[in-house]
Amino acid sequence: KQEVTQIPAALSVPEGENLVLNCSFTDSAIYNLQWFRQDPGKGLTSLLLIQSSQREQTSGRLNASLDKSSGRSTLYIAASQPGDSATYLCAVGNDMRFGAGTRLTVKP
Amino acid sequence: DAGVIQSPRHEVTEMGQEVTLRCKPISGHDYLFWYRQTMMRGLELLIYFNNNVPIDDSGMPEDRFSAKMPNASFSTLKIQPSEPRDSAVYFCASSWGLREQYFGPGTRLTVT
Repeated sequence: KQEVTQIPAALSVPEGENLVLNCSFTDSAIYNLQWFRQDPGKGLTSLLLIQSSQREQTSGRLNASLDKSSGRSTLYIAASQPGDSATYLCAVGNDMRFGAGTRLTVKP
Repeated sequence: DAGVIQSPRHEVTEMGQEVTLRCKPISGHDYLFWYRQTMMRGLELLIYFNNNVPIDDSGMPEDRFSAKMPNASFSTLKIQPSEPRDSAVYFCASSWGLREQYFGPGTRLTVT
């Protein structure tokens, strides 16, 4: 059974800092991996989807990488802003196993 | 498109009652997913459909839960009878192929 772990569970950084969120998974035979953000009391917003044949995806200040052999994905956020404050979740594979998320706070 | 639509947004019911949650996926999407989110267990996939056919319901917790998708634009998740431990936020999501999933705003269910 696929297990997904996200580290750290919470992160607080000053505005402008670059940061990395981590997602690890136990079964490397995955179809894809998706990163989401969730604002308090809201649904999830898709940020980036990486297919199993891809190594990374970029959207604006976000870059997600995938290393299937080591069972890891990272989400890089450049020049963080207070509006980036949210919980970030990764989901792995067809059956969408979610990690517990990283709660990010960006302080002005 | 209005995005994924879920109703009701909030539901409070008494233990033993039947609860029906509704979802309208994004038009043209062929996959529909039902999730449950709790503080204790995080976000869990309950069931997903492809072209209205259930593909994997291994996440459905027990027989009290059932889901249907009678057509491409409507799905229901039913709990009968409901129990306090069913209290959670239930999300519906849809996608075109196994690509980016778009989530609805969720239904917050409270069973007293």
